[in-house]
Amino acid sequence: DIQMAQSPPSLSASVGDRVTITCRASQGISNYLAWYQQKPGKVPKLLIYATSTLHSGVPSRFSGSGSGTDFTLTISSLQAEDVATYYCQKYDSVPLTFGGGTKVEIK
Amino acid sequence: QVHLVQSGAEVKKPGASVKVSCRAFANTGWWFHWVRQAPGQGLEWMGWIDPNTGGTGYAQKFRGRVTMTRDPSISTAYMELNRLTSDDTAVYYCARDPGLGDYWGQGTLVTVSA
Repeated sequence: DIQMAQSPPSLSASVGDRVTITCRASQGISNYLAWYQQKPGKVPKLLIYATSTLHSGVPSRFSGSGSGTDFTLTISSLQAEDVATYYCQKYDSVPLTFGGGTKVEIK
Repeated sequence: QVHLVQSGAEVKKPGASVKVSCRAFANTGWWFHWVRQAPGQGLEWMGWIDPNTGGTGYAQKFRGRVTMTRDPSISTAYMELNRLTSDDTAVYYCARDPGLGDYWGQGTLVTVSA
């Protein structure tokens, strides 16, 4: 099975900072990569699918890039409401493995 | 609008089984995926079921202990987990393939406690 390695496990940044989270697949998954945001006690929310397509209603400060095995989620200007844990997920084929998550906090 | 509605919270004793349901109110032919999240932990994919054929696939970790079924007449999928331990205490979600959109059930808390 393909493994998804996400980094860093946590980060602390200031409001307005540019934040980058990476996800690496152990084998190529084309562009079948999604990113979720999860706040405590809430259901995960889809941010990006197909590596770089923003889900409806998601602020444009979120963006995704990459292909094959290396993927990136970028928040161009961190806002207080972005405090959450972020997960990547492959969906090229089953199993639909998640990355370990990145907890984002405000400094 | 609501797409996936799950059954309510459960409390089970170690060694017991739990069966969680997920009813679809749209796109009833799409696969269901089951995902769980233990307290303070990440998301863990458990498996899938095709509501049209009943075909299933399970994550290696759960093979032999999980069974996914469906009742197409009521657009409902089920996830049954056997031989529960305290490590199975988690919120269990049904969800769709992310390429189809953002469709998750509200989650079902399963607590395993003596």
